[in-house]
Amino acid sequence: EDKVVQSPLSLVVHEGDTVTLNCSYEVTNFRSLLWYKQEKKAPTFLFMLTSSGIEKKSGRLSSILDKKELFSILNITATQTGDSAVYLCAVEGTYNNNDMRFGAGTRLTVKP
Amino acid sequence: NAGVTQTPKFRVLKTGQSMTLLCAQDMNHEYMYWYRQDPGMGLRLIHYSVGEGTTAKGEVPDGYNVSRLKKQNFLLGLESAAPSQTSVYFCASSQDGSINQPQHFGDGTRLSIL
Repeated sequence: EDKVVQSPLSLVVHEGDTVTLNCSYEVTNFRSLLWYKQEKKAPTFLFMLTSSGIEKKSGRLSSILDKKELFSILNITATQTGDSAVYLCAVEGTYNNNDMRFGAGTRLTVKP
Repeated sequence: NAGVTQTPKFRVLKTGQSMTLLCAQDMNHEYMYWYRQDPGMGLRLIHYSVGEGTTAKGEVPDGYNVSRLKKQNFLLGLESAAPSQTSVYFCASSQDGSINQPQHFGDGTRLSIL
């Protein structure tokens, strides 16, 4: 059965710390892995990864995919209180025509 | 540019009542999706549509029906609400099903079934 597992489930850090969020998956016919940030309402898109070893960066956030070991990491450096959110990992396969499976999310809290 | 708009934002129903959630997108996207989000379980796909007039089942379709009569709208119906359907419902859309087309989400509808 397809599944996406994120760890840790929650994390509390102080401003300036660096964090690494993990996402492992088992999906039939992998197409892409996506990271979303969810604050109070709609998840907002961060990254889409399709190839192993190619780092995607946006400011203090970066992500990389390992298709051999079936996982991805999301790094946030120099964290700020505005980074506090739930970070969702989703994996898209072709089993059911554009079916996308989400992990349960990692709740990140950044304290001043 | 509103993106993806969901109505209503909140609703409380009694067991057995019916209701329809509305999702509208103004990005001319082909694909639309309905998810539910429950604590500790992430987002789960209920139904989706790959174009006007088409619908398909997702991971958890039981107890729900959908319709896509117009390209910009995707309706989610609960015919006989049950407490197990208490959840936050998110609608999303994407340009199409190709790679490099992420889904855009609405702000969600919080539904409570008593």
